[in-house]
Amino acid sequence: EVMLVESGGGLVQPGRSLRLSCAATGFTFDEYAMHWVRQIPGKGLEWVSGITWNSGSRDYAESVKGRFSISRDNAKNSLSLHMHNPRVEDTALYFCVRQQQLADYFDSWGQGTLVTVSS
Amino acid sequence: QSALTQPASVSGSPGQSITISCRGTSSDVGGHDFVSWYQQHPGKVPRLLIFDVTNRPSGVSNRFSGSKSGSTASLTISGLQAEDEADYYCASYRSSAKYVFGTGTRVTVL
Repeated sequence: EVMLVESGGGLVQPGRSLRLSCAATGFTFDEYAMHWVRQIPGKGLEWVSGITWNSGSRDYAESVKGRFSISRDNAKNSLSLHMHNPRVEDTALYFCVRQQQLADYFDSWGQGTLVTVSS
Repeated sequence: QSALTQPASVSGSPGQSITISCRGTSSDVGGHDFVSWYQQHPGKVPRLLIFDVTNRPSGVSNRFSGSKSGSTASLTISGLQAEDEADYYCASYRSSAKYVFGTGTRVTVL
């Protein structure tokens, strides 16, 4: 069974840094591109960032470009999102998401980790 | 980076059919067939319903179907049931290796 378990969320002050992690099990992690998608409570979904299976390409939404950094460790089956200089508007539930192979859709989602940016 | 446009809400009676639209541009919905749809019940994780405009993953009811015309994709739910009451999101690959979601539609079963 595919499982994606996020961690690292919590309360962070604006301008401080936070690192989110995602532990993947139940599939061959290094064969899949991975993403972060966020959702402000009660609001819609927003794609945040994605990384290819070999970290050869990393992409970001304009809203986080230059502030967030995505990375992965295939040896540890883990995905990370470094949030540098977070803003109040980055407050959201962050989902770790798997992209289906050779396709452009998301087939597995974690439960999410809540990030609150507040002073 | 604007979201795809969906109606905020759609409602229908049990047994009826409803359609949710997802309007984009030639850079996303209109530029290829990489449109997907997700269902999210309150407090739950999004679930894939449709991929590549018209395809259903195994386990998804055939009451859900997808289509596309130009830069507008659509999700149709036939034989509406109480369990279909949820939020629905479209998503599309956008040029430059990015992805975009729709604004979301709340479906209410009357």
